[in-house]
Amino acid sequence: NAGVTQTPKFRILKIGQSMTLQCTQDMNHNYMYWYRQDPGMGLKLIYYSVGAGITDKGEVPNGYNVSRSTTEDFPLRLELAAPSQTSVYFCASRPTGDYGYTFGSGTRLTVV
Amino acid sequence: LAKTTQPISMDSYEGQEVNITCSHNNIATNDYITWYQQFPSQGPRFIIQGYKTKVTNEVASLFIPADRKSSTLSLPRVSLSDTAVYYCLVGSYGGATNKLIFGTGTLLAVQP
Repeated sequence: NAGVTQTPKFRILKIGQSMTLQCTQDMNHNYMYWYRQDPGMGLKLIYYSVGAGITDKGEVPNGYNVSRSTTEDFPLRLELAAPSQTSVYFCASRPTGDYGYTFGSGTRLTVV
Repeated sequence: LAKTTQPISMDSYEGQEVNITCSHNNIATNDYITWYQQFPSQGPRFIIQGYKTKVTNEVASLFIPADRKSSTLSLPRVSLSDTAVYYCLVGSYGGATNKLIFGTGTLLAVQP
């Protein structure tokens, strides 16, 4: 099993550009999450989803959007990139009733 | 969500047992305690989870006193490869609470 796959691994954006961070899981997990991690800090929850068609805001949702049209995919959209969005982004998933999250390897985003 | 407090950093030597304590005074009845390990440039990895008393797996042990206001992650005979950040998280996994909030974690540095 591939687990949680994130693409791209690295990206440099200019201020004001847009992009989509992709996240796919092949474990049939209902719950999916997006976190960001700034240097030397813990993870901050951006958005999460409890199933296809259902999403909700986390701690730091401003500047981001998500959608969940299928169980497998949970893309994160940045519409107008700002330097404050420079971070490492992690996608994670877990099955219903289980307590172990599986994380992807992350996307390192730099906004200049 | 229950707030957790952990030491910012700890030092140890190879072969020693390491105990990392986490305080969670406001833990709710339905909350579980989960620990994750994160290496640089990687997503967090699930280590262990418990509700009360003691839980042991092939990697670590988790000790939870009767009042559940704290927990201790025990790593037996650490090696250099155990150098990482360790996160203690508290939360329930159903109903209105479907997400985990990460703190800043404990940076464990293992020296030869």
